[in-house]
Amino acid sequence: DAMVIQNPRYQVTQFGKPVTLSCSQTLNHNVMYWYQQKSSQAPKLLFHYYDKDFNNEADTPDNFQSRRPNTSFCFLDIRSPGLGDAAMYLCATSRFNTKGAYEQYFGPGTRLTVT
Amino acid sequence: QKEVEQDPGPLSVPEGAIVSLNCTYSNSAFQYFMWYRQYSRKGPELLMYTYSSGNKEDGRFTAQVDKSSKYISLFIRDSQPSDSATYLCAMSADSGGYQKVTFGIGTKLQVIP
Repeated sequence: DAMVIQNPRYQVTQFGKPVTLSCSQTLNHNVMYWYQQKSSQAPKLLFHYYDKDFNNEADTPDNFQSRRPNTSFCFLDIRSPGLGDAAMYLCATSRFNTKGAYEQYFGPGTRLTVT
Repeated sequence: QKEVEQDPGPLSVPEGAIVSLNCTYSNSAFQYFMWYRQYSRKGPELLMYTYSSGNKEDGRFTAQVDKSSKYISLFIRDSQPSDSATYLCAMSADSGGYQKVTFGIGTKLQVIP
């Protein structure tokens, strides 16, 4: 089945120790997103890629970076995690057409714990 | 005022009940409306997708959009314990090009056997 896969599902890192989360998709969608979701909150968009074009949200901290080496893979790098970065990180994909890109398909998420 | 308002609940109903979940919004440019279901510690799963006003039905689920009132609803008929999850509404404008999707905070639903 076509899907969005995230690895690892659970990640524990130490305060200030860089961490990378990965996302892959078999949907062949041209848009990929990273969201941060804290408990009982709406998903917060960090950035998205339209093909190789990177689009950062204005309020995304510089501590968060992303890479998309090809259509299928996207990575989220947190350079110096703080305690406030503990959250669920969601990867999503969608197909962009002339009307825009709205139906987003999510992966299972990576739950990040910072100690 | 938030662009999308959604009551976080929790909402508890007995098995078999009809569930009504709602969102209100303030941005009149929103044209695409979605409902996602999110089980605990999992990613959101797209349930329903509607463009502009009207109703859409899929099995036990019905989505309604009333753009004049800026109000959207999701109805679940014959609710089951497996429907227990958080339901997020999401919406986006239609002005060509990429538009960000705005999510509600989610309503937590518990269906009691």
